[in-house]
Amino acid sequence: DTAVSQTPKYLVTQMGNDKSIKCEQNLGHDTMYWYKQDSKKFLKIMFSYNNKELIINETVPNRFSPKSPDKAHLNLHINSLELGDSAVYFCASSQDGGGGNQPQHFGDGTRLSIL
Amino acid sequence: GENVEQHPSTLSVQEGDSAVIKCTYSDSASNYFPWYKQELGKGPQLIIDIRSNVGEKKDQRIAVTLNKTAKHFSLHITETQPEDSAVYFCAAREDSNYQLIWGAGTKLIIKP
Repeated sequence: DTAVSQTPKYLVTQMGNDKSIKCEQNLGHDTMYWYKQDSKKFLKIMFSYNNKELIINETVPNRFSPKSPDKAHLNLHINSLELGDSAVYFCASSQDGGGGNQPQHFGDGTRLSIL
Repeated sequence: GENVEQHPSTLSVQEGDSAVIKCTYSDSASNYFPWYKQELGKGPQLIIDIRSNVGEKKDQRIAVTLNKTAKHFSLHITETQPEDSAVYFCAAREDSNYQLIWGAGTKLIIKP
């Protein structure tokens, strides 16, 4: 069983489109995250949710909107996609009440390419 | 806020030799320091972590050391094997807002 699963694995789309990435964890964790990894492998936190409540919201364009329907799911919707949005997006989860001091379990990423 | 610097960006070692990756952090209140390994096409995976009340932790061929006074911590891999080739990330937990601040990553290449 995959602990943190993201779909789709690859996403190729045109500039200006709207797309969503889904994430589900079956670990029973209470905190979930979205990260962006650029071509130089730098990992940047975007959002963090604890029990469906937003606790970290870094400086991210408001074209990016996370949604957590329940604590096992954290989806990412992106409006009006731009060339600079091309990256690998990782979902992660942890059991730490949002405290950030427990291991994070990552999905295998969604590679987003904007044409 | 916290800032984490990681060196080197690329490290190439002969199979069987040891590898050391170093990180420094800026916030003396940071108290949790994990190391993650990212293989090609996969997400990062925790390999070892250390808390600020401990100076060293070892798990088989990998070890982490923490110097709180100097605000740096290091990952040591002994008897390197081809499967150790990956990108390694250090991180520090920022005490003010509880988020992990990540280093820029080190690409470790094990030469046969």
